[in-house]
Formats: sequence, structure tokens, C-alpha cells
Amino acid sequence: GENVEQHPSTLSVQEGDSAVIKCTYSDSASNYFPWYKQELGKGPQLIIDIRSNVGEKKDQRIAVTLNKTAKHFSLHITETQPEDSAVYFCAARYSSASKIIFGSGTRLSIRP
Amino acid sequence: ETGVTQTPRHLVMGMTNKKSLKCEQHLGHNAMYWYKQSAKKPLELMFVYSLEERVENNSVPSRFSPECPNSSHLFLHLHTLQPEDSALYLCASSQGTSGSTDTQYFGPGTRLTVL
Repeated sequence: GENVEQHPSTLSVQEGDSAVIKCTYSDSASNYFPWYKQELGKGPQLIIDIRSNVGEKKDQRIAVTLNKTAKHFSLHITETQPEDSAVYFCAARYSSASKIIFGSGTRLSIRP
Repeated sequence: ETGVTQTPRHLVMGMTNKKSLKCEQHLGHNAMYWYKQSAKKPLELMFVYSLEERVENNSVPSRFSPECPNSSHLFLHLHTLQPEDSALYLCASSQGTSGSTDTQYFGPGTRLTVL
């Protein structure tokens, strides 16, 4: 069935270190993988996305990698800062048209 | 700001009340979505509208009734809700629903509490 698994559910990282969040999906035809950041009291905000025709994408301190063979993708945040503390959601667009399935979220805390 | 606004931001209602949530997008998008976000659960897609037509109804109880009068506005009408319906209701929009047009932008949500 349609499913996106996300790990870990919580992550605590020392400021300045890197954080990695991993997701797996079940539909091999999935072709679009966005990542969202949700701060307290706000809606999810798109931070980066990747489509299945590329294996990696970077935007400053944020990068996403995609392994289509293994059906998993990861978010990498380098040189973490206090403002990176939030809940992060991965998602995958399934081949069944308009549906994007979200992971269960990772609560990232940056320790000063 | 993402260009998607939602009102009210907070709503408390009794089980016999009727209320409506409103979403407006200022992005010129053609698709709009309602999601439910409960504690410790993934975002649940409720409804999808594309060009003002409902294209997805994700087995949502009839006590939730969506309305999309035009491509910029989306409503969620609520009646005889249950306490378990308490959640954050998020609206999102996208340019389209396929190909490279499906990136979704979310509003801030309405925090709903059903007593």
C-alpha cells in the first residue's frame, strides 16, 4: 500500500553538527519527494524537494539524496543552528495522481 | 508568509455546533487541499480540488463538507463533530496536481477543539 516511513522520530544534535533524517517509500513509481519544516504554531513550509531524475540536490546547508533502487531518500542539514529546531516531514508523490503521502515527522532539537 | 491564509486560527466548538473553516490562496494556483494533522500521526489528506472540482475524497466522514467556490477559496464546513476531530486543519495549494506543478504550499492551519 501507499506508505512513507520516516526515522528517527526524534533527533537531538549539538549545534554545529550535522543532522540526517531518512525516509523510505513503497511505490517504485513515485517521482517527487518534498521535505517540509514545521515550526511551532505554523503550517509546514517547503524547504527542499527532489524529483526522480536526479540523485542529489543542495541548497546552502540543506541537501537531499535519493536512491531509487533502494526506495529511500534522506535530508542532510550541515552546521546546524538553533533555528533549525522544528519538526521535519518527508513526503512522496505516488503515481496515483494527486496524492502526496507524508511521513510521520522527525522532531529535531539543536543543543546549544 | 506562503501566500495561503486560513481563518480562524483557533476554533472551539461544541458537538452540536456548525462552523466553517476558510482558506484563501494568493498564488494563482489551481489546486487546493485540506489536511488533518493530529498529534503523533502523519498528515492525513482529506480533500483535493483541482479547477474547483473535487478530485479526491479520502474516506472522510460526512460531518466534514468541503466547498470550493473558485480557485482562490476553499471552505470546510463542520457539523456534529466528535471530540476525536480535534486537530490542526491545514489548507494547501499547488499550481496543478501533476508533473512539475504539484509542489504544495501550506497555510498556518486552524487549531480546532471539539468539546
